Amino acid sequence: ILNVEQSPQSLHVQEGDSTNFTCSFPSSNFYALHWYRWETAKSPEALFVMTLNGDEKKKGRISATLNTKEGYSYLYIKGSQPEDSATYLCAFIGDSNYQLIWGAGTKLIIKP
Amino acid sequence: DAGITQSPRHKVTETGTPVTLRCHQTENHRYMYWYRQDPGHGLRLIHYSYGVKDTDKGEVSDGYSVSRSKTEDFLLTLESATSSQTSVYFCAISAGTKGATQYFGPGTRLLVL
Repeated sequence: ILNVEQSPQSLHVQEGDSTNFTCSFPSSNFYALHWYRWETAKSPEALFVMTLNGDEKKKGRISATLNTKEGYSYLYIKGSQPEDSATYLCAFIGDSNYQLIWGAGTKLIIKP
Repeated sequence: DAGITQSPRHKVTETGTPVTLRCHQTENHRYMYWYRQDPGHGLRLIHYSYGVKDTDKGEVSDGYSVSRSKTEDFLLTLESATSSQTSVYFCAISAGTKGATQYFGPGTRLLVL
């Protein structure tokens, strides 16, 4: 059974501070890793698709890194703003069946 | 925003009744997915479709069936709803399957009493 773990489960961050959280996934049979952002009462929206070991992707103040050999990805948010409050989901894709295996998410709350 | 709608958006039903949820897309994407989302769990795949009349089971398919008679519509049926099927159901679409980004509908909140 493939397992994708995200930590922490939830995180309170002061506005203006930077933060990061982790997605752990199987280090074998890797194909791709997705990051999604899910705001309350909305649908998940794609942030990044990462495929290569050492990949680093950036979108505004949000960036992500990928280590496929050790099976983890970090998501970083620089200078957190209230609009960053959301649940951040990662999803692993193995090269055996190409279905997304989702983590349970990290709920980020930005305190003004 | 990807053109994905789900209906109904909210439904309350009783144990033992059949329920059908509809996902409709205007993107002409080949792949469609049904997920359920429960507290403490990530999104869990129920069924998916890789073309008209082509469907396959996901991780939590027991108690659910699907049909896809047209590219744009993917139906999820709970044959006889149980309280354990109380959940939020999301439909998603993607243009490809190998690592392709998925685009999600607004969700359907289902309560089975």
